[in-house]
Amino acid sequence: EDQVTQSPEALRLQEGESSSLNCSYTVSGLRGLFWYRQDPGKGPEFLFTLYSAGEEKEKERLKATLTKKESFLHITAPKPEDSATYLCAVCALSKSSGSARQLTFGSGTQLTVLP
Amino acid sequence: DAGVTQSPTHLIKTRGQQVTLRCSPKSGHDTVSWYQQALGQGPQFIFQYYEEEERQRGNFPDRFSGHQFPNYSSELNVNALLLGDSALYLCASSPGLATTDTQYFGPGTRLTVL
Repeated sequence: EDQVTQSPEALRLQEGESSSLNCSYTVSGLRGLFWYRQDPGKGPEFLFTLYSAGEEKEKERLKATLTKKESFLHITAPKPEDSATYLCAVCALSKSSGSARQLTFGSGTQLTVLP
Repeated sequence: DAGVTQSPTHLIKTRGQQVTLRCSPKSGHDTVSWYQQALGQGPQFIFQYYEEEERQRGNFPDRFSGHQFPNYSSELNVNALLLGDSALYLCASSPGLATTDTQYFGPGTRLTVL
């Protein structure tokens, strides 16, 4: 069974204080790892897709990296508007159907950036 | 370009009732997936529709059913509502069944069961 574990559950940072969020996964046949941002009461907003170990992607103050067992979301000099829950999800090949489009999510990291 | 849209935004029902939620995918997308998100948890996969057929299903009872229309829009139906069905229901769309396609989410429907 695919498993995704995110840590920490919650993180409070001062504005400008850089940090990293962790997503560790156990899956057979990884086809993609996804990072989403979710604001309270809203749907997840797509940030990054990573496909293979060693891959990195950047967007503004965010940088996502991928190894064979985990992914990191690095936040550089965060601002209060970066406060949100960050969700990690994996997409793996379904053994029964031969294809897979379901995502398995972690529980998220709730990030609060204080001014 | 319109993104994924869902209706209604909020819904309040009582135990035992039935509910229908609606989703219109992002333009150019033909695959729709539904997820349930309980408070403080990540979304959980309910099922996926492509070419008007259910292609995959998560660990949800038969009370949860769906439909996809020729215009790719979709409905989620839940029968015999339980208190535990209270959650944010999310619809996501993607262009086809390729495993590496990114899924884009709608704003969700908040269902409260009393």
